[in-house]
Amino acid sequence: KAGVTQTPRYLIKTRGQQVTLSCSPISGHRSVSWYQQTPGQGLQFLFEYFSETQRNKGNFPGRFSGRQFSNSRSEMNVSTLELGDSALYLCASALGGEDTQYFGPGTRLTVL
Amino acid sequence: GESVGLHLPTLSVQEGDNSIINCAYSNSASDYFIWYKQESGKGPQFIIDIRSNMDKRQGQRVTVLLNKTVKHLSLQIAATQPGDSAVYFCAENISGYSTLTFGKGTMLLVSP
Repeated sequence: KAGVTQTPRYLIKTRGQQVTLSCSPISGHRSVSWYQQTPGQGLQFLFEYFSETQRNKGNFPGRFSGRQFSNSRSEMNVSTLELGDSALYLCASALGGEDTQYFGPGTRLTVL
Repeated sequence: GESVGLHLPTLSVQEGDNSIINCAYSNSASDYFIWYKQESGKGPQFIIDIRSNMDKRQGQRVTVLLNKTVKHLSLQIAATQPGDSAVYFCAENISGYSTLTFGKGTMLLVSP
């Protein structure tokens, strides 16, 4: 069974721009969670989607948003990029919300 | 590869030694715990998990111990191999919620 895939793997943007990241979960998984990983803050939860509904949200500003499609694929959007948004963005999928989360390889976002 | 963390606690061992990685978790309400391994340039990889109704669980070459009294989790790796070199994260979760809260991570360096 294929693992979690994320596209693109690397992205360079400038301040003020917006970006959309994509995640395809493991087949059959309906829960998709997003995390931000930085050297200073570690891994931090952004939000979780289940059956196209956002069920949980972390402590991030409204510039960070997401959505999930009927095939469970998810996108994450960051508007008005700031230098501090440079990070590895990780997507994880699970069968349901309480099941083990399996991570993708991440998208490395650099904001210049 | 990309750095997943600066100034992480580091455990250096020789190939063939047993390794013990410790983690203190924060929320006494957490009842599900997971260990992840993250290699440079990759997303976290599931290693083993344990629920709060257990105090020990064994996998292939790995054992997780849970002490709820002092809110402590440990990962034991038997006969450590150079391929085990990575950053190891513990994560905690409360049943009914999909949010994982991650520890800061420990870097394991295995010398041949």
